[in-house]
Amino acid sequence: KAGVTQTPRYLIKTRGQQVTLSCSPISGHRSVSWYQQTPGQGLQFLFEYFSETQRNKGNFPGRFSGRQFSNSRSEMNVSTLELGDSALYLCASSSPNSGEKLFFGSGTQLSVL
Amino acid sequence: DQQVKQNSPSLSVQEGRISILNCDYTNSMFDYFLWYKKYPAEGPTFLISISSIKDKNEDGRFTVFLNKSAKHLSLHIVPSQPGDSAVYFCAASATRWGGGADGLTFGKGTHLIIQP
Repeated sequence: KAGVTQTPRYLIKTRGQQVTLSCSPISGHRSVSWYQQTPGQGLQFLFEYFSETQRNKGNFPGRFSGRQFSNSRSEMNVSTLELGDSALYLCASSSPNSGEKLFFGSGTQLSVL
Repeated sequence: DQQVKQNSPSLSVQEGRISILNCDYTNSMFDYFLWYKKYPAEGPTFLISISSIKDKNEDGRFTVFLNKSAKHLSLHIVPSQPGDSAVYFCAASATRWGGGADGLTFGKGTHLIIQP
């Protein structure tokens, strides 16, 4: 079974631009979560999607948004990029059978210059 | 305010010995606790978990202990191997599935270094 796939692996943007990151969950997993990892804050929860609906949201500004498609693939978008948005963005998928476990992709490393 | 704390940023252990990684939490609503291992440039990999109704869970060389009254858990790795060198994250959740309303709450990680 293929794991969680995130594209692109690396991204360089400048302040003010917007960016879209993509995530394909493990086949059969309908829940997709996004996390931001920075050296200072560790891993922080962004949001979770299930059946194309945002079910939960972390404490991030509205510049961070996402969506999920009918095939469970998900995208997250960050608009008006700031230097502090430089981070590793991780996508994770889960299913009722996986319980509390989340399965993570390798992440997208975003650098904002 | 950090709800999950890993107070040791790094830990060095000799190969073959026991590695003990510690984690403290403050939110009494947490019911599930997980440990993840992370190598550079890779996503976290699930290692082992425990629910609040248990005080111990074992999986091969990995054992997690939970002390609910102290709001403390620990991960024991015996024996430690060079491939265990990685960053270990403790995480907690108030719900059974996928982290729930607040997702998984992670500690900031402990960098485990296994010395040959």
